[in-house]
Amino acid sequence: AQSVSQHNHHVILSEAASLELGCNYSYGGTVNLFWYVQYPGQHLQLLLKYFSGDPLVKGIKGFEAEFIKSKFSFNLRKPSVQWSDTAEYFCAVIPYSSASKIIFGSGTRLSIRP
Amino acid sequence: EAGVTQFPSHSVIEKGQTVTLRCDPISGHDNLYWYRRVMGKEIKFLLHFVKESKQDESGMPNNRFLAERTGGTYSTLKVQPAELEDSGVYFCASSRGEEQFFGPGTRLTVL
Repeated sequence: AQSVSQHNHHVILSEAASLELGCNYSYGGTVNLFWYVQYPGQHLQLLLKYFSGDPLVKGIKGFEAEFIKSKFSFNLRKPSVQWSDTAEYFCAVIPYSSASKIIFGSGTRLSIRP
Repeated sequence: EAGVTQFPSHSVIEKGQTVTLRCDPISGHDNLYWYRRVMGKEIKFLLHFVKESKQDESGMPNNRFLAERTGGTYSTLKVQPAELEDSGVYFCASSRGEEQFFGPGTRLTVL
């Protein structure tokens, strides 16, 4: 079945640690890729997106993600996390075939120890 | 510019009752979406309006769910009668172009 997989359900890190959250998708055609974040008590908001071009995309708050087409992956990275990065992170895909319907992964809860 | 708003923020009802959720999109956004997250699982698409027309309702779980968007402004999602498995967080999003802007969600608990 077509899906978006996030490898980690809950990640716990100390401040200043490096972060990488894995995301793989199983759609065979062209896709648009996204990472969304939901901070505690706040709305879902867009962290970054990839449509085409440079496969390394920069987002807000120092986050970046790399699209590796051969691996169907779009991993999220941040070199040094802060306590304020505590949130839930969602990888998401819009397959070209589905117009604008977003397909979300199950989310990764990130907890940062101060 | 006001964001997407949803009402109520929480709703607790008993099985068999009816609940209506409301979403007010960002002004000028023709596209309006409903999504649902059940029991900490993935957020799943329910349906998509373009103005007042249903563009895609492939994610609606069954005929107990009815979505409307009269006049192409706000939208309502009615669940009648509610079942236990309908509990979850219902998100609304709107867009003018490619980026969808999400509301805070309505947490529905069916007892």
